[in-house]
Amino acid sequence: SQTIHQWPATLVQPVGSPLSLECTVEGTSNPNLYWYRQAAGRGLQLLFYSVGIGQISSEVPQNLSASRPQDRQFILSSKKLLLSDSGFYLCAWSSRDDDYGYTFGSGTRLTVV
Amino acid sequence: QKEVEQNSGPLSVPEGAIASLNCTYSDRGSQSFFWYRQYSGKSPELIMFIYSNGDKEDGRFTAQLNKASQYVSLLIRDSQPSDSATYLCALDSSYKLIFGSGTRLLVRP
Repeated sequence: SQTIHQWPATLVQPVGSPLSLECTVEGTSNPNLYWYRQAAGRGLQLLFYSVGIGQISSEVPQNLSASRPQDRQFILSSKKLLLSDSGFYLCAWSSRDDDYGYTFGSGTRLTVV
Repeated sequence: QKEVEQNSGPLSVPEGAIASLNCTYSDRGSQSFFWYRQYSGKSPELIMFIYSNGDKEDGRFTAQLNKASQYVSLLIRDSQPSDSATYLCALDSSYKLIFGSGTRLLVRP
């Protein structure tokens, strides 16, 4: 069966510090991968998605970036965090072969102080 | 920008009642629709998906889709306190899921 791992679960970082969040998927090949952010009490905002190794599509301009160095690995990064980067970051995957929705990781709650 | 609209709630229903959650969308070309449940502090989990006009039932949950009117709804029968959560509507748009802001449901014991 397929599983998605996301870490860390919580993170407190000072303004201006770098960020690296990692997500990996097991039990499937060639997944579509996604990074979403959810601000407190708000909906899910799509940040990046990838349909293949090295391919990244950005949905919103910001100081975040994403990379997909391996088929089942998706990384979210920032060189310098802003207070507004605080939120709940969710990685998700979907299959290219069906349209049964996304499966989310457990999320990372980031607080920038 | 493709949009998905949901009433933020909270929608409060007594235990055992039917909870009705609604969602409207702006993109007439959308073909696939999804309902997710999100407990406080947790990640969303998929409840149901629906592609065709009409009703789709799965246990206590029924999804309803009306493409002509551009709305999708979720009915929860025999609501339980454990159903208290935020329910997110989403539609598929070219490799991406676009989410509504969610409706908070409270089931009173």
